[in-house]
Amino acid sequence: DAKTTQPPSMDCAEGRAANLPCNHSTISGNEYVYWYRQIHSQGPQYIIHGLKNNETNEMASLIITEDRKSSTLILPHATLRDTAVYYCIVRVDGYTGANSKLTFGKGITLSVRP
Amino acid sequence: EPEVTQTPSHQVTQMGQEVILRCVPISNHLYFYWYRQILGQKVEFLVSFYNNEISEKSEIFDDQFSVERPDGSNFTLKIRSTKLEDSAMYFCASRRDTNNYGYTFGSGTRLTVV
Repeated sequence: DAKTTQPPSMDCAEGRAANLPCNHSTISGNEYVYWYRQIHSQGPQYIIHGLKNNETNEMASLIITEDRKSSTLILPHATLRDTAVYYCIVRVDGYTGANSKLTFGKGITLSVRP
Repeated sequence: EPEVTQTPSHQVTQMGQEVILRCVPISNHLYFYWYRQILGQKVEFLVSFYNNEISEKSEIFDDQFSVERPDGSNFTLKIRSTKLEDSAMYFCASRRDTNNYGYTFGSGTRLTVV
């Protein structure tokens, strides 16, 4: 799996957009970008994923640069409940058996302030 | 929305005692996992389980650990002789297919070894 780097922390004001960056300069052509988050020691939760096109769902948007070396997770209207650790994970889809685990880094801690 | 259920939510045990952590994965899921998170540290993979056998395990998952899916619904993690350093949150996860966005994590069991 390609390595990702994220800043350790950031904050934003409630109601504003939170833009969480991730660098993955060694990503290969068949690797997807996945975002999970972990709210206060709960189990990680899937947010969104993409290959090269921008993606949007009810939780967030994912913007992937044209060269695919970096991406940004956007929470359009952050709330206090979005305070969490956000993990950017890059890997090929379709793993079975061995190598099917997710590998979590340190992630980025987002603090949403009132 | 289907959930992965873990019990108990918190368990305190004496060093050297055996503990069994229980998980009920989502009913039509085929792949099962245990992860742990020591306080303040990363989420770490322990073991993956598919087709009634271990498909991968980490260095953490030594002879003190075992997993079982005894009745087709429960998925258990046993620690035979707990050590102080086993104190952590233990997360069970499951997924149906091979896609990386399909992981569903439970809320975790906080194990405290005294």
